[in-house]
Amino acid sequence: GAVVSQHPSRVICKSGTSVKIECRSLDFQATTMFWYRQFPKQSLMLMATSNEGSKATYEQGVEKDKFLINHASLTLSTLTVTSAHPEDSSFYICSARDSEGASNQPQHFGDGTRLSIL
Amino acid sequence: KQEVTQIPAALSVPEGENLVLNCSFTDSAIYNLQWFRQDPGKGLTSLLLIQSSQREQTSGRLNASLDKSSGRSTLYIAASQPGDSATYLCAVRLRNDYKLSFGAGTTVTVRA
Repeated sequence: GAVVSQHPSRVICKSGTSVKIECRSLDFQATTMFWYRQFPKQSLMLMATSNEGSKATYEQGVEKDKFLINHASLTLSTLTVTSAHPEDSSFYICSARDSEGASNQPQHFGDGTRLSIL
Repeated sequence: KQEVTQIPAALSVPEGENLVLNCSFTDSAIYNLQWFRQDPGKGLTSLLLIQSSQREQTSGRLNASLDKSSGRSTLYIAASQPGDSATYLCAVRLRNDYKLSFGAGTTVTVRA
């Protein structure tokens, strides 16, 4: 079945560091990918919709200059947390939609990235 | 804005008992509803997807029902096993939109 690879799985770094997370569709093309954030014991909250070849669409309250999204190819979207601070520590998960699949097909999720800012 | 609620937040049952997990949503104009499993510190595993035109879906010991008019879905897990211990999330997709709205999940513990 379709697989989404998310890397790295875990990051621990100092405050002020910028961190890049990759989301890759391995066997399908994805013109649209989604980035979610999950705090402990809470739901996944959609941060932004990543669109291949164009600007990402951010949800209300999400700082676009803080969370930079680049979707330069049909199989790769990256999320960069710029100048990360402890409050950015969270679990980040991406999902991808098969561009050539039927519209009623489910999205495919990555395994997530645990970000810890010291 | 679509609001998705899952009750209860946590559930502990002895092995062999049937599980009933509830999901409710405020906007009935949905495209589909999906149930996921999430193990601690891990990503999401899709369990069942119910299209808006369907009333239920079944996979092995899992059965999910959908009542769109009342804004409810229920996930039934028959004859629970310790390996079923995880957090179960439901997510709703609205029509003409690929975004998913998630509930906060129900954390299930099956005691051996």
